[in-house]
Formats: sequence, structure tokens, C-alpha cells
Amino acid sequence: NAGVMQNPRHLVRRRGQEARLRCSPMKGHSHVYWYRQLPEEGLKFMVYLQKENIIDESGMPKERFSAEFPKEGPSILRIQQVVRGDSAAYFCASSQTSQLNYGYTFGSGTRLTVV
Amino acid sequence: AQKITQTQPGMFVQEKEAVTLDCTYDTSDQSYGLFWYKQPSSGEMIFLIYQGSYDEQNATEGRYSLNFQKARKSANLVISASQLGDSAMYFCAMREGRVNFNKFYFGSGTKLNVKP
Repeated sequence: NAGVMQNPRHLVRRRGQEARLRCSPMKGHSHVYWYRQLPEEGLKFMVYLQKENIIDESGMPKERFSAEFPKEGPSILRIQQVVRGDSAAYFCASSQTSQLNYGYTFGSGTRLTVV
Repeated sequence: AQKITQTQPGMFVQEKEAVTLDCTYDTSDQSYGLFWYKQPSSGEMIFLIYQGSYDEQNATEGRYSLNFQKARKSANLVISASQLGDSAMYFCAMREGRVNFNKFYFGSGTKLNVKP
């Protein structure tokens, strides 16, 4: 029973390029969340999606960032025209319920480095 | 105001001893959940333990227990009989039950080093 799969594990992009981060939730999980971890900091919420719907994107930067969770396939976090400040670890989590006492399962993260 | 505060950037503990990692939280919700996650050097986030705001008993999971003091708004993690494999970053987190219940708020973490 595979956990939350994120790829790639490491991604290097030059300033101005696009970064695409993929997340396959655990089997049976229909809720996906993206978090960002800057160096020496805790994780910060970015966006919450269910299949084909963005439920809460209050943590997403207004420009250059977008997320989707299509009916088929993984969830994608897309960062256009990356800048050095986008360098961070991006974590995806999934759950089968939004019940309060549910500890989401996190993937191993994608470490984005912008050079 | 910070939702979750972890005031210990780093801690050392001798193998086989117990250690307490501090966490205080801030919320006006009556219903909320408190969580601890472990992040080893490999980077994944591992869920350790959960405490609900209405739970009267402190949560325990194996060697992990949560010292929940509601009036003080603290949710400290206690690791008993530390092992070398416990060396990692530890994050305290909260979800609020009424508003923003889909978001975790994380603290800045405590790096625990277990000495042999």
C-alpha cells in the first residue's frame, strides 16, 4: 500500500523557468494538500484540493503559482518563472477525510533549488 | 500572533533518557486538534501523536506521550527512553475545528540530537 508519492525528489531550475511538482495521493484518498517549507522553518499551508476542485488556496502566492488535481492522474503544483525565493521543500499530503483528528499522510517532499 | 510556538531550536538528550519538547499554541476555537510530526534527515514527515481539545486524557503512542495543559495552551511532547533513531526535527502542529479546519499550522520545529 504505497504512501503519498512525490516526484521529483530534487528539482533544479534556472531563474525564469517553470517548475512542475507532482503528487500522487494514497489509494482511496481524495483530498490533497500542498505545503511549503522554507529553510529552518515549519511547513506553511498553500492549497487544498479535491478531485477537479480547488477548495482553499488562501496560502498560495497570488502570481506564478497554480495547482490542480485532475480527475485522472496526480496533483500538480506549478510554479512559473521561478525566482530564488521559491527555493524550498514542497510537501504534499493526502487524506480520505477532513475529519479533525486525522493526521494526514505526507509525501517525502520535492526540494526545489532555483539557481 | 503565532499559532504554534516552539521555543527550543535544538535539544540534546542522552540515549535511554526521557526528553520533553515544548509547544504552545494560540487559538480562539473551542474545538481543535494538536499533532506532533517527526522529520528525520531524509525529509519525510512522520505523524507521531494526536490530542483533541476535548480529550480529557493525555494521548500516548508507545514511547510518545503528549502533556496537554489546556489552560496554559501547551502541548508538550515527551519521548521516553530515547533512542539514537529519535534524532530528527520535531514539529508541533494544530488544526482548528471551526474555521480553517483543513489547514495545519506548524511551529518552527525543534532539532533533537540523541547522544550515545
